[in-house]
Amino acid sequence: AQSVTQLGSHVSVSEGALVLLRCNYSSSVPPYLFWYVQYPNQGLQLLLKYTTGATLVKGINGFEAEFKKSETSFHLTKPSAHMSDAAEYFCAVASASKIIFGSGTRLSIRP
Amino acid sequence: DSGVTQTPKHLITATGQRVTLRCSPRSGDLSVYWYQQSLDQGLQFLIQYYNGEERAKGNILERFSAQQFPDLHSELNLSSLELGDSALYFCASSVSQAPNTEAFFGQGTRLTVV
Repeated sequence: AQSVTQLGSHVSVSEGALVLLRCNYSSSVPPYLFWYVQYPNQGLQLLLKYTTGATLVKGINGFEAEFKKSETSFHLTKPSAHMSDAAEYFCAVASASKIIFGSGTRLSIRP
Repeated sequence: DSGVTQTPKHLITATGQRVTLRCSPRSGDLSVYWYQQSLDQGLQFLIQYYNGEERAKGNILERFSAQQFPDLHSELNLSSLELGDSALYFCASSVSQAPNTEAFFGQGTRLTVV
């Protein structure tokens, strides 16, 4: 069975600081991994995804994530936070039949 | 704008009632997914259709049903509604049924059961 764990339901960083959102997964087969972002009153939008190949994946808005098989992790990072990054972020793992989302991490940005 | 259209945006109904949520996928997308998002359960996958056929089932209650029509729009039917069914219901679409395909989400239908 597959599962996703997002560590920290709420993360707060200062504007310009490093953003690190943690995601660990469990999968019995090579996983497809995703990060989605949800802005208030909107649907989810894909930030980036890992399927195969390069383990460092670059996404939109300056975000990137690294697939680490040995640690079963897919943490999301951004070198310098902007106020516009304030949103809810979801990590997800997909199998042949369905996609499972983590519980989400709310990112707040302090001026 | 993701290109996925969901109607209505808001719905308030009483317990025991039945409602239908509608989703129009992006042009060219054959897969439609339904999700339920609530504060206590998070984002839960309900069901997936591909080109009119059911492809995958998640945590969908027996009181809920869905279908995808020949024009590829989809409807989610919720019946015998309970207070706990109050949630945001999202539809998403993708071009294929492959799990590594990006899904595009609509803005959701907020259902309130009173």
